[in-house]
Amino acid sequence: TQLLEQSPQFLSIQEGENLTVYCNSSSVFSSLQWYRQEPGEGPVLLVTVVTGGEVKKLKRLTFQFGDARKDSSLHITAAQPGDTGLYLCAGPYSGAGSYQLTFGKGTKLSVIP
Amino acid sequence: DAGVIQSPRHEVTEMGQEVTLRCKPISGHNSLFWYRQTMMRGLELLIYFNNNVPIDDSGMPEDRFSAKMPNASFSTLKIQPSEPRDSAVYFCASRSVSIYFGEGSWLTVV
Repeated sequence: TQLLEQSPQFLSIQEGENLTVYCNSSSVFSSLQWYRQEPGEGPVLLVTVVTGGEVKKLKRLTFQFGDARKDSSLHITAAQPGDTGLYLCAGPYSGAGSYQLTFGKGTKLSVIP
Repeated sequence: DAGVIQSPRHEVTEMGQEVTLRCKPISGHNSLFWYRQTMMRGLELLIYFNNNVPIDDSGMPEDRFSAKMPNASFSTLKIQPSEPRDSAVYFCASRSVSIYFGEGSWLTVV
């Protein structure tokens, strides 16, 4: 079973601060995805990283895929209350062309105004 | 596009009752997934359909759970009989290139 461990589990910060959350595994993934889930809604895809060492930026969010494709990080610069939510990482099950995703348990982020 | 539509949004039922959750995927998406989310276990894949055919149901917890996809625009997840430990948020998702989740069905079994 390919497990994705996310840390920290909970994070509460003041508006304007920077933060980084992590997604780690002992398994190699062909790609990793990051989702944000707001209360009462389903997860929404933010980004997919595919190449080891890849860095993708989405406004104030920076996503990095580890060189060995076993881990990923999400860095948020100058966090805003609108960034509040559950951040989930996910990767495809092993097996070529698998559409099935395994999810980490997420980091619950609260940004206090 | 309306996105993935799930119903009911909330359901409270008594232990032993049958529960049916419904999903309308995004038109043109050929893959459909049912997930369950709890605080303890996070998001777990229950079953996955491709072109209306169940591909992998190894995540279905036990025989009390069943899922069908009679056509490309409709799927159901049924729990019979329901138990308190089934209380969770059940998500349906569909995929063409990227996966899109519905808003979930919040189930409480008392």
